[in-house]
Amino acid sequence: EDQVTQSPEALRLQEGESSSLNCSYTVSGLRGLFWYRQDPGKGPEFLFTLYSAGEEKEKERLKATLTKKESFLHITAPKPEDSATYLCAVRAGYSSASKIIFGSGTRLSIRP
Amino acid sequence: EPEVTQTPSHQVTQMGQEVILRCVPISNHLYFYWYRQILGQKVEFLVSFYNNEISEKSEIFDDQFSVERPDGSNFTLKIRSTKLEDSAMYFCASSSRDNYGYTFGSGTRLTVV
Repeated sequence: EDQVTQSPEALRLQEGESSSLNCSYTVSGLRGLFWYRQDPGKGPEFLFTLYSAGEEKEKERLKATLTKKESFLHITAPKPEDSATYLCAVRAGYSSASKIIFGSGTRLSIRP
Repeated sequence: EPEVTQTPSHQVTQMGQEVILRCVPISNHLYFYWYRQILGQKVEFLVSFYNNEISEKSEIFDDQFSVERPDGSNFTLKIRSTKLEDSAMYFCASSSRDNYGYTFGSGTRLTVV
């Protein structure tokens, strides 16, 4: 069964303190790994798509990397506005309309 | 930047009543989805829709649920007889042919009382 596990569940950092969030996955035929940001009461906001091991994507203070079994979201020198829940999702299956499956997310809190 | 629009943002309904949640996907997207998120839980897949028919549905999407694309722009989720456990945030999403990213709406918070 396709599965996505994120760790830690929650992470509290001081402003400027860099760290990484982990997403491990089990899927038959990965066709994309996605990172989203979700603010309370809002929908997931797309950040990155990664397709193959070794791929990296960057956006401002965020950098996502992918291996054959897991992905990391690195946050460099975070600011309070980076506080949110970060969701990892995988797309499996070969249908064009394939769903994505979400992990439980990591709640990130950045203290000023 | 193109958006997925959902209405209403919040709906309160009596148990046993029918509700229709509405979505306007991004105009050139081909694939449409409904997800839900019960408070404090994961975002869960409900159904995918392509070429005017359901592509895939989860175990949650039973006979009480239906989806429709009544015209070229709207995509709706109907719950025929709501239960207390249907209370959740419902998200509509759409994606383009290359499935590069799935764009989600802001959600409809459904409260069943």
